[in-house]
Amino acid sequence: ETGVTQTPRHLVMGMTNKKSLKCEQHLGHNAMYWYKQSAKKPLELMFVYNFKEQTENNSVPSRFSPECPNSSHLFLHLHTLQPEDSALYLCASSQGDGTDTQYFGPGTRLTVL
Amino acid sequence: AQSVTQLGSHVSVSEGALVLLRCNYSSSVPPYLFWYVQYPNQGLQLLLKYTSAATLVKGINGFEAEFKKSETSFHLTKPSAHMSDAAEYFCAVSGAETSGSRLTFGEGTQLTVNP
Repeated sequence: ETGVTQTPRHLVMGMTNKKSLKCEQHLGHNAMYWYKQSAKKPLELMFVYNFKEQTENNSVPSRFSPECPNSSHLFLHLHTLQPEDSALYLCASSQGDGTDTQYFGPGTRLTVL
Repeated sequence: AQSVTQLGSHVSVSEGALVLLRCNYSSSVPPYLFWYVQYPNQGLQLLLKYTSAATLVKGINGFEAEFKKSETSFHLTKPSAHMSDAAEYFCAVSGAETSGSRLTFGEGTQLTVNP
C-alpha cells in the first residue's frame, strides 16, 4: 500500500450504532487530519494531530471521537450520530511543518439512517 | 485570518477549449497556495503548489497557475480541456500565521467538459 488509505470506503449506520473509521498513511508523515465534506459546503477541518498529539479540534460534537495511536494511524470513532452527519470523511497527512502539502485518502462515504 | 474565494461554483467548457478556474485569497502573511482536484468518489489530489519560488507554477495533467500578488489571485489554467478533466477543483491557502499545517479551502469549482 502506498499513500493514504481509508477503510471502510462506504459505511451505513443507524443513529444508535457505534462504528470506527480507519486511516493509515505510508508516507512517513508526522501530522494527520480528519475532514468532513458535505454536499454544497466547503471542506471542514475536524481534527489535527501532530506527532500523535491533538493540536486542533474545530468545535466538533463529542459524538465524533478521534484516536491517534501512532503517527501512521488515525481513527474516528462514531456513536449516536445524526442524519446530518452523513458525508464524505477524508483523512489527510503531511510532514507537519507550517506550510507543507497535505495528501488525502480516498475517503469514507458515511450514511446515517 | 486566511480565506479563499473561488469565483464560479460551476464552469463548463468544450473539449479543446481553454480552462480558467479563478481563485482569490486573503492572507496577512506570504501565502502558500494549492490547487487540488477531486474526481467522483475519490479524495483530493494535489495538482500544484506555490511556495514563492516562482510565480508561474506547473502542475500535473497540463495545468498551471500564476501567483499575482497585486491581484491576490492564483488562477488555474489549462490550454486545452480534455474530457478526463471533468472534476471538482479546490483552491487552498496555508500560511505561517496559523499553527500546524492548516489549509483553508475554497468552496470548489465543478468543471464540466462538453464533447
